[in-house]
Amino acid sequence: EVQLVESGGGLVKPGGSLRLSCAASGFSVNASIMNWVRQAPGKGLEWISSVSSRVIFVYYADSVKGRFTISRDNAKNSLYLQMNSLRAEDTAVYYCAREVLAAGSAFDLWGQGTMVTVSS
Amino acid sequence: EIVLTQSPATLSLSPGERATLSCRASQSVNIYLVWYQQKPGQAPRLLIYDASKRATGIPARFSGSGSGTDFTLTISSLEPEDFAVYYCQQRSDWYTFGQGTKLEIK
Repeated sequence: EVQLVESGGGLVKPGGSLRLSCAASGFSVNASIMNWVRQAPGKGLEWISSVSSRVIFVYYADSVKGRFTISRDNAKNSLYLQMNSLRAEDTAVYYCAREVLAAGSAFDLWGQGTMVTVSS
Repeated sequence: EIVLTQSPATLSLSPGERATLSCRASQSVNIYLVWYQQKPGQAPRLLIYDASKRATGIPARFSGSGSGTDFTLTISSLEPEDFAVYYCQQRSDWYTFGQGTKLEIK
């Protein structure tokens, strides 16, 4: 089955760190452009980071640049998001999503999401 | 940053009716506009890409149109499972999403 499964969310204090994981099955993350998208409670969707396929290029939204790091482990077929210097406004459900060039670079596969709460 | 504005914020209709959702971009995105559906507690689901192409498995009652700055998602005859929040997304200049339109049962 082709799917993405996120993990690693939880409650963290402001200024703290958290590492999210996204395990892929049924396809190779190495051959795909992978993204992280978040959704604050009751709010809309916000793209935050991408990693290109094959040769690694990484991209970040200004809201997380310098604090978050996207990476992938081809052997584990997984995507990661290291989040440092967390703020209350980072509280959200975090989704990993696959981008498909054949579908106009749309995000055709999403995980179920993992909740991150930043609070003292 | 390209801003996407969706209207209306909420649309109240009955099953069987036609739904028309709008997405306007602050500058041209060519045809690089995507539509997603999201139900409570679920991840978004890809419906339409490149403004008018239906994704795999999406019913024919969903259609998209537009180019440049004005786009429309039309659901020709609403089914009970279509009541959800719909988001547009542009991928012309990085990625931004609209704020969503909630389609609710009247």
